[in-house]
Amino acid sequence: EADIYQTPRYLVIGTGKKITLECSQTMGHDKMYWYQQDPGMELHLIHYSYGVNSTEKGDLSSESTVSRIRTEHFPLTLESARPSHTSQYLCASSPGASRNTIYFGEGSWLTVV
Amino acid sequence: QKEVEQNSGPLSVPEGAIASLNCTYSDRGSQSFFWYRQYSGKSPELIMFIYSNGDKEDGRFTAQLNKASQYVSLLIRDSQPSDSATYLCAVNMEYGNKLVFGAGTILRVKS
Repeated sequence: EADIYQTPRYLVIGTGKKITLECSQTMGHDKMYWYQQDPGMELHLIHYSYGVNSTEKGDLSSESTVSRIRTEHFPLTLESARPSHTSQYLCASSPGASRNTIYFGEGSWLTVV
Repeated sequence: QKEVEQNSGPLSVPEGAIASLNCTYSDRGSQSFFWYRQYSGKSPELIMFIYSNGDKEDGRFTAQLNKASQYVSLLIRDSQPSDSATYLCAVNMEYGNKLVFGAGTILRVKS
């Protein structure tokens, strides 16, 4: 079972506020990911990291930013939240080996009002 | 053409039947393949992975891989209402070494 933690699990916030979604893993995985998923819809990769000080944008353009200062920590920040950012955000990690098994956290549900 | 394609469903099967979920992929060089289950409102959880051609069995689940046809499937025997979920196929693409998810197939098991 994967040890990957996301906080907060649920957040309702006003338009224009800055938010940071936290993600931590205790498995020492090199690769970490952020996916965005609306209810009943596909997963979309928005950011990933292959290790400390490495961050890349994913397939879906996102106004969020990420950082990777420590191996175990991969926070996602929205500088100015908008209602269009309302979604579920899923953090994941993988060992970085060629077979690339990804493990997901429980997700953070963001509602911007 | 999408990199990983799945029929969105819903696939409806009666309780006790075999559910067959299919997935095709575009990158012939792909080497590893995964099935995730996602309950409504929850995050995806890994249920099986397969790397070699043929069948791999784990309890009621069997993954089947045919690299020549670029096709991977998941069979669920003795389907239960608790198996009702969205099943995501994921393929590790050779180029970029990235995991690409299909859109998922909704499975409904009726009691």
